[in-house]
Amino acid sequence: GDSVTQMEGPVTLSEEAFLTINCTYTATGYPSLFWYVQYPGEGLQLLLKATKADDKGSNKGFEATYRKETTSFHLEKGSVQVSDSAVYFCALSDRKAGTALIFGKGTTLSVSS
Amino acid sequence: DAGVIQSPRHEVTEMGQEVTLRCKPISGHNSLFWYRQTMMRGLELLIYFNNNVPIDDSGMPEDRFSAKMPNASFSTLKIQPSEPRDSAVYFCASIIREDEAFFGQGTRLTVV
Repeated sequence: GDSVTQMEGPVTLSEEAFLTINCTYTATGYPSLFWYVQYPGEGLQLLLKATKADDKGSNKGFEATYRKETTSFHLEKGSVQVSDSAVYFCALSDRKAGTALIFGKGTTLSVSS
Repeated sequence: DAGVIQSPRHEVTEMGQEVTLRCKPISGHNSLFWYRQTMMRGLELLIYFNNNVPIDDSGMPEDRFSAKMPNASFSTLKIQPSEPRDSAVYFCASIIREDEAFFGQGTRLTVV
């Protein structure tokens, strides 16, 4: 079945450092790919998405490119802030109506000033 | 729209008691999902509904868990009897298209 694998955390960075969180997927079709973010005490919220190969999703300085050849969707940010401290989840959907999002296990990011 | 609304936000109950968690999805969304989050297992899909019909409940851990969606604006997740290992944060999410999910703030369940 479809699955998502993301790098284990926690990831600890200093403010203004470069961030990469790796995500790879396994899917039989052509899924949509997502990054969700969860701040402490809150539910998950969509950070960015890409629906086809070579698409780049971006939001709040974060970017991820849908790479079909490497089945990857790595999350990057050029300069992290303390406020970016959260748990980040990679996810996929095979885009059939009525199917569930499949999430990775999440990566905790901690940014210090 | 107020978003996905879950209640209660926190629930503390004794082992053996029945627990009911509630979810109101965003109006017009046709799919609803229940997830459980723990430190050990991360985010697990328990069950999801499409147009109020349960599509996949293979993630429900055992018969003590049941979920219903009597109409498009309400769903419940029930645990009877509850056990300490059920302690977790339970999230409800709804989707209008087959991609972007909107999550509620979760119910933190503690079974003592």
